[in-house]
Amino acid sequence: AQKVTQAQTEISVVEKEDVTLDCVYETRDTTYYLFWYKQPPSGELVFLIRRNSFDEQNEISGRYSWNFQKSTSSFNFTITASQVVDSAVYFCALRSLLGTSYDKVIFGPGTSLSVIP
Amino acid sequence: GAVVSQHPSRVICKSGTSVKIECRSLDFQATTMFWYRQFPKQSLMLMATSNEGSKATYEQGVEKDKFLINHASLTLSTLTVTSAHPEDSSFYICSASNPNGQDPYEQYFGPGTRLTVT
Repeated sequence: AQKVTQAQTEISVVEKEDVTLDCVYETRDTTYYLFWYKQPPSGELVFLIRRNSFDEQNEISGRYSWNFQKSTSSFNFTITASQVVDSAVYFCALRSLLGTSYDKVIFGPGTSLSVIP
Repeated sequence: GAVVSQHPSRVICKSGTSVKIECRSLDFQATTMFWYRQFPKQSLMLMATSNEGSKATYEQGVEKDKFLINHASLTLSTLTVTSAHPEDSSFYICSASNPNGQDPYEQYFGPGTRLTVT
């Protein structure tokens, strides 16, 4: 079975603090994609990153960075020097490309981040 | 590129009526579209996968007779909530894949439709 767990339901940080959002996934498939999406209060999903299962290289994009560790089935997301505009719900998601779960995107429960000025 | 629109963005309907939500891929042809439902403070739950020209595949627990999905063209899928009840009030989001695009495995999400049943 496929599953995405985001253990942190809600996080509050003070502006300029760094924050890490955890994501742990389960899949028996060997080929899959992992995603992070941001959902601001407007509701529209904003795509942040996609990483395939063969690429464990960490990535940095501005204040955002991602740490993919296959050994622990984790794909954590760090925001450096957080800003109020980062306040949103963040979803980690998994999509298998082979096997019985082909083509489905499974979302984690989400982490609600509040950045306090 | 790869823009997905939904219409309407918000709809209020009376209990017992039906409401149709449209999902369009504006600049690409989407052979596969997905419909999700999101209740307040919850995650997105996949309802069904629709492939152009064929019947939709519904997830377990989703009533196919209540949530009618039609994917009649490569750019349009519709979700009709029949005999809506207050418990159907939710945020409905569609997504589409472009198998002929640069990234055939990417899903492009629409902005969502907020349905309120009174």
